Amino acid sequence: DAGITQSPRHKVTETGTPVTLRCHQTENHRYMYWYRQDPGHGLRLIHYSYGVKDTDKGEVSDGYSVSRSKTEDFLLTLESATSSQTSVYFCAISTSGGLNTEAFFGQGTRLTVV
Amino acid sequence: AQSVTQLGSHVSVSEGALVLLRCNYSSSVPPYLFWYVQYPNQGLQLLLKYTSAATLVKGINGFEAEFKKSETSFHLTKPSAHMSDAAEYFCAVTGRGNTDKLIFGTGTRLQVFP
Repeated sequence: DAGITQSPRHKVTETGTPVTLRCHQTENHRYMYWYRQDPGHGLRLIHYSYGVKDTDKGEVSDGYSVSRSKTEDFLLTLESATSSQTSVYFCAISTSGGLNTEAFFGQGTRLTVV
Repeated sequence: AQSVTQLGSHVSVSEGALVLLRCNYSSSVPPYLFWYVQYPNQGLQLLLKYTSAATLVKGINGFEAEFKKSETSFHLTKPSAHMSDAAEYFCAVTGRGNTDKLIFGTGTRLQVFP
């Protein structure tokens, strides 16, 4: 298995609170991504990074921010959690070829906003 | 913009029967296409990918997919289903640039009955 660790694996939080999810990789891959998975929607890209301090928005970026201060860590922050952000969040990494090479996924973080 | 459409959110087959999961893509440029599998409570795992080297692509666990440009399709098949194939399957598309995004379909859940 690719060395990707997501933390926490499960979290319950209250509406309006900030939440940070962490993705840590040991593969030294350049590209990192955050997706959310919801029934009927598949996986939707939130934000991605193509290098340290280089990030860009995906298709559902509103309400989320990211930071990547070193190669191995990619943080996803929900600035003020809402119930619509209840979801399963997946981190993915890929090699220098970007997503036209294989993407490796973490185990996911199940977030519930109450 | 690139997209994929997976026809059928649920597919049920008997053990030993043919598996056919449908995926149609939309892309203005020759795409890269992928099939990923997700087992319960796990992340996604790459089954196979099309990168234009060959139109018939063989993947892991006996799966294969054929790229048909005339039909804009990339259907996933397996001649004989096994109980262990029960999972959710996602088709995905990306472009050829290093910063192109990986866009997923909505997924097809495969059930295999004894």
